[in-house]
Amino acid sequence: DGGITQSPKYLFRKEGQNVTLSCEQNLNHDAMYWYRQDPGQGLRLIYYSQIVNDFQKGDIAEGYSVSREKKESFPLTVTSAQKNPTAFYLCASSIPYRPMNTEAFFGQGTRLTVV
Amino acid sequence: GQNIDQPTEMTATEGAIVQINCTYQTSGFNGLFWYQQHAGEAPTFLSYNVLDGLEEKGRFSSFLSRSKGYSYLLLKELQMKDSASYLCAVSAFEDGGSQGNLIFGKGTKLSVKP
Repeated sequence: DGGITQSPKYLFRKEGQNVTLSCEQNLNHDAMYWYRQDPGQGLRLIYYSQIVNDFQKGDIAEGYSVSREKKESFPLTVTSAQKNPTAFYLCASSIPYRPMNTEAFFGQGTRLTVV
Repeated sequence: GQNIDQPTEMTATEGAIVQINCTYQTSGFNGLFWYQQHAGEAPTFLSYNVLDGLEEKGRFSSFLSRSKGYSYLLLKELQMKDSASYLCAVSAFEDGGSQGNLIFGKGTKLSVKP
């Protein structure tokens, strides 16, 4: 079955440590996104990638880094520079081209807690 | 810049109809999506509008007016399981670009009461 997979579902990190969240999709989608969601809030865009080996900063990229070496994979690293990393992280993918746009498919999310 | 506004919370009664509004300001508009998100879960796709008018899908309908930068999601025959957050998202292309980006509103938390 095609889909988008995030791992792990729950992640605990000590303050000052970097951590990498995995996102893999087998939908053959070109675009992939990382969003952050805080309690009672909507989704805020961290980074997005429209094509392999290219990615762009979203609204809240500071303290995060990404790579897009393969079409299927878009890992997100939360660095120690991120001041408030505890949140629910969602990865999504879609086909973004004109004129036909498609909905974004989401992974099940990773809940990161800094202890 | 891009901006999406929706009400923070709404309350409705089981069996009733509720309309959730969304206004947006963006360049390079290429469609508007509505998603449903239950607490702690991933958003799931509800509807997509790219042309003006009403799209109906069962108990859910979505309307778009591009000239007004306005959309609404209409939920009929409300059920308790419809209690969730409803996210409005706009697909926008940067000037001269050929690939879009998804920007989400903060979501409207709907509580359905018996």
